[in-house]
Amino acid sequence: AQSVSQHNHHVILSEAASLELGCNYSYGGTVNLFWYVQYPGQHLQLLLKYFSGDPLVKGIKGFEAEFIKSKFSFNLRKPSVQWSDTAEYFCAVTGFQKLVFGTGTRLLVSP
Amino acid sequence: EAGVTQFPSHSVIEKGQTVTLRCDPISGHDNLYWYRRVMGKEIKFLLHFVKESKQDESGMPNNRFLAERTGGTYSTLKVQPAELEDSGVYFCASSPKIAGGYTDTQYFGPGTRLTVL
Repeated sequence: AQSVSQHNHHVILSEAASLELGCNYSYGGTVNLFWYVQYPGQHLQLLLKYFSGDPLVKGIKGFEAEFIKSKFSFNLRKPSVQWSDTAEYFCAVTGFQKLVFGTGTRLLVSP
Repeated sequence: EAGVTQFPSHSVIEKGQTVTLRCDPISGHDNLYWYRRVMGKEIKFLLHFVKESKQDESGMPNNRFLAERTGGTYSTLKVQPAELEDSGVYFCASSPKIAGGYTDTQYFGPGTRLTVL
């Protein structure tokens, strides 16, 4: 069965700090990988996705993620966070159709 | 283009009552998914429709949950009778027709927060 592990449940950063959120998945076949974000009071929205090709994918708002197949990882990064990045971040994987999510990481960016 | 919409946004009911949640997917999306997030836990898959057919209902907790998608447009998720452990946020998502068997991006609605007292 597929599973996703997000290592950090809560992260607190100051503005301009760099961000890296860990995500590891367990699945033996071809996977599609996603990072979703939920800003306070808003619905889940897609940050970025990896289906194939270049393992370094760029998303919206300056986020990027790197797929490392040998490590079953898809970590999310941003070089300099802003207060507006305060949100909950979800890593998800799908091998076929349904999404399997990690538990989420709450990021608080202090101004 | 309108996004995925869900109704109601919040519902508070007593144990034993019935609640029906509604989801309107993005127009033209064949695939409709229901997920649930119980407080403090991960978002979990409930079921998947392709048009009006249930493609995968492996995540449905038990037979108190009934999902329908008549005509392949909007979907309803009924919980009858509701139990305390059904409390959580119910998300709906939709995606375009799948090519090659793999899902494309799923677009999520705002969710319905269900509280069972």
